[in-house]
Amino acid sequence: GIQVEQSPPDLILQEGANSTLRCNFSDSVNNLQWFHQNPWGQLINLFYIPSGTKQNGRLSATTVATERYSLLYISSSQTTDSGVYFCAVLEWPGSQGNLIFGKGTKLSVKP
Amino acid sequence: DTEVTQTPKHLVMGMTNKKSLKCEQHMGHRAMYWYKQKAKKPPELMFVYSYEKLSINESVPSRFSPECPNSSLLNLHLHALQPEDSALYLCASSPTAGGGTYEQYFGPGTRLTVT
Repeated sequence: GIQVEQSPPDLILQEGANSTLRCNFSDSVNNLQWFHQNPWGQLINLFYIPSGTKQNGRLSATTVATERYSLLYISSSQTTDSGVYFCAVLEWPGSQGNLIFGKGTKLSVKP
Repeated sequence: DTEVTQTPKHLVMGMTNKKSLKCEQHMGHRAMYWYKQKAKKPPELMFVYSYEKLSINESVPSRFSPECPNSSLLNLHLHALQPEDSALYLCASSPTAGGGTYEQYFGPGTRLTVT
């Protein structure tokens, strides 16, 4: 099955710093999503981005499907950005909807 | 509205108890999912319902029994659980499961403790 690798596994930032999180996947995908899991466990949708570039406020994401990677950029980080960031993909073809998650990047933003 | 709701938020149950987790969405989605997440691990798929029919069962023990009464509701019935079943149980939905837009939306989860 498809493999999803995220890096770095842990990241500590000072408030106001910028960061880039990476997601590599081993095969063609039909869906790629970035999530932020807050300390209470809620998975918050950040981006649905099987290809291309999207921006939402201080966050942006780029997926280069032909090279099998996606990047999540966080600018001017805030303490509320702390949590775990997951990348998740759907295999193509043949998927029946089961998202395959990477192991996540745990981000800690210090004031 | 992209909301998926789950009840209860927390559940403590003994190994001989029977309980149910509930999930609801009103986005008109036709695919619904149960995931299990252990501490410091990513979510893992348990079941997929597509058009109210079970389409994926990821070799989940029979002490977990899913049910999809209608297109908006998803239940997970629990019976004779083990302490290792303690985890965060997440429900998700998406417009479809087999084609078109796959974006999945997750509920807040039920944190289950088995004593």
